[in-house]
Amino acid sequence: NAGVTQTPKFRVLKTGQSMTLLCAQDMNHEYMYWYRQDPGMGLRLIHYSVGEGTTAKGEVPDGYNVSRLKKQNFLLGLESAAPSQTSVYFCASSYSRRDTQYFGPGTRLTVL
Amino acid sequence: QKEVEQDPGPLSVPEGAIVSLNCTYSNSAFQYFMWYRQYSRKGPELLMYTYSSGNKEDGRFTAQVDKSSKYISLFIRDSQPSDSATYLCAMMGTSYDKVIFGPGTSLSVIP
Repeated sequence: NAGVTQTPKFRVLKTGQSMTLLCAQDMNHEYMYWYRQDPGMGLRLIHYSVGEGTTAKGEVPDGYNVSRLKKQNFLLGLESAAPSQTSVYFCASSYSRRDTQYFGPGTRLTVL
Repeated sequence: QKEVEQDPGPLSVPEGAIVSLNCTYSNSAFQYFMWYRQYSRKGPELLMYTYSSGNKEDGRFTAQVDKSSKYISLFIRDSQPSDSATYLCAMMGTSYDKVIFGPGTSLSVIP
């Protein structure tokens, strides 16, 4: 049981470049989430999904898109990266909205 | 005013000390309260999950919720160097729309 895995672990982008972060979970969870963590700001929800084929906006969705084509995978896309998107990105999953969220190890993204 | 406030620390204590970590919040709709532990360069992991007011104990950890004061605490007894981490409080309302996280308190337990 790998739990929640994230790919890649680190990435450096130039302003304007695009990339996709992949999150995978093997716990058969319905709910999946993407957060960003910045110093002094805590974890902020970017987008989330309540099941395969669904997505919804969180607190800070601008500049990001997501897709949940398969139940076990949740993709986060940056179409045109900006320095303000330099952050640590965490994916999480849970069985239901009220249940424990299990977090992945994070992706450290730097946008120059 | 932020919805959830937490002293960022860093907090440094000697091994064996009792540690008190605290959060205050402004939204009276919050009913579910959580504490997560996050080691450096790792994802957060759930430590304690409580509903409404009261205390909950799990080993060396005790979570306390005072809804009248909008104040939650995490106590760590007999602190160990392995407790050195950042502790995030988190909370959620009954509508389950989202979990709000505090910014975290960095704790160092010195041997």
